[in-house]
Formats: sequence, C-alpha cells, structure tokens
Amino acid sequence: QVQLVESGGGVVQPGRSLTLSCAASGFSFSSYGMHWVRQAPGKGLEWVALIWSDGSYKYYGASVTGRFTISRDNSKNTLSLQMNSLRVEDTALYYCARGGNGGPDFESWGQGILVTVSS
Amino acid sequence: QAVVTQEPSLTVSPGGTVTLTCGSSTGAVTSGHFPYWMQQKPGQAPMTLIYDVNIKHSWTPARFSGSLLGGKAALTLSGALPEDEADYYCLLYYNRIRVFGGGTKLTVL
Repeated sequence: QVQLVESGGGVVQPGRSLTLSCAASGFSFSSYGMHWVRQAPGKGLEWVALIWSDGSYKYYGASVTGRFTISRDNSKNTLSLQMNSLRVEDTALYYCARGGNGGPDFESWGQGILVTVSS
Repeated sequence: QAVVTQEPSLTVSPGGTVTLTCGSSTGAVTSGHFPYWMQQKPGQAPMTLIYDVNIKHSWTPARFSGSLLGGKAALTLSGALPEDEADYYCLLYYNRIRVFGGGTKLTVL
C-alpha cells in the first residue's frame, strides 16, 4: 500500500535552514506529482508546494516563495523540502501528499513532521 | 494570492443535513477550480472525501456529496453521524497553484 514517511523536522532558530524529506513506497513514485502541505498548531491547512513527476515544474504558495525549494530524487523515491530563512510563522506540522497522475491529487498523505522555529 | 472562504463553524443534529460552502475571492467557483473537500479529525492526517466538484473516493461515505451552489463549491452531509464531527477543508486550483480554505469545524450535536 502507499506509504509516505516524513523526516527531518525539529527545532531551529529563526533565519536558519532545515531540509525535510519524504520517503515514498508502494507506488511508482516517478509517475506522480508530489505536494507539501503544512498546518500551524491549532490552525488550518496551508498548501506549500508542488513538484511535477519528473521535477520539471515547481510551484509554491505565496508565503514560502523565494525561501523554500521543493525537489525530488526519483532514483531514491524521495521528496525534499529545503527551507531557508525560516520564520517563527513557519512553525507547523509538514505533510507530504501524493499528487495526481491523470487522477486526483491528495489521495495519500504522510503522518506529518513537526518543525518548530524558535529562538 | 486568492483567498478561499469557508464557514468557521457549523452544527448539525444527528441524522440531520448540513451544507458547507467554499467561496473564492476571485469570483464564482467553477469546475475549473476543481474543488476538493478534505476531512480531518484530531491528531490525524487529512483525508480527501471529494474531488473535481463531486467525485467521491472509494472510501467516501455515501452520505457526503459535492456540488456547485450559488457561485460556491458545496459539501452536503445528509444523515450526519457522530463520527462526522471533524474539520473540513476545501481546496481550489488557481492554474497550478492550490489554495486551501480556512476550514469549517463541524459539530454533530
């Protein structure tokens, strides 16, 4: 079955960088776009980024454009999110989610990984 | 960036019917926004119930349905059960960008 497992979270100071990973299994990773979605404590969902299946196109939400970079390694079935210039307001649970492949987005989600930005 | 609006909270009686809506700051919501509806229960990852306005996943209970209503996307729950108490989020496509609504906290009481 489809599995998405996030890692790399933790506590980081404002202005620093952190890279999240999402290990995918149970499906043909290289055939699907992938998303990052986040949720601040007690708040709603916020779409962060999308990368196409071959990595050729990348799209970002307004609050992270220019600071975050989504990437993937199809040989390792791994999705990444490099987060630079982190702010307190980036504190959130970060989910990876499978995109569509001629079908619907967000069919499968990871359990999330917590990132806390604090001095 | 567009803003997607939802009712912050709604209450429905067990067995009752409730409609959640999803509006867009850019104008009427259309099928071209490919509306999604996700359900999230405390401590769990979200789960997609409806996509592309009204298409259900195999795991979506029949009591949930999606539609376009009065320029908004709508999620209707008919015959509410206690386990339907959750947060519900809509998501709209703006070309390649996705935007979530703020979510509706649905209470079954």
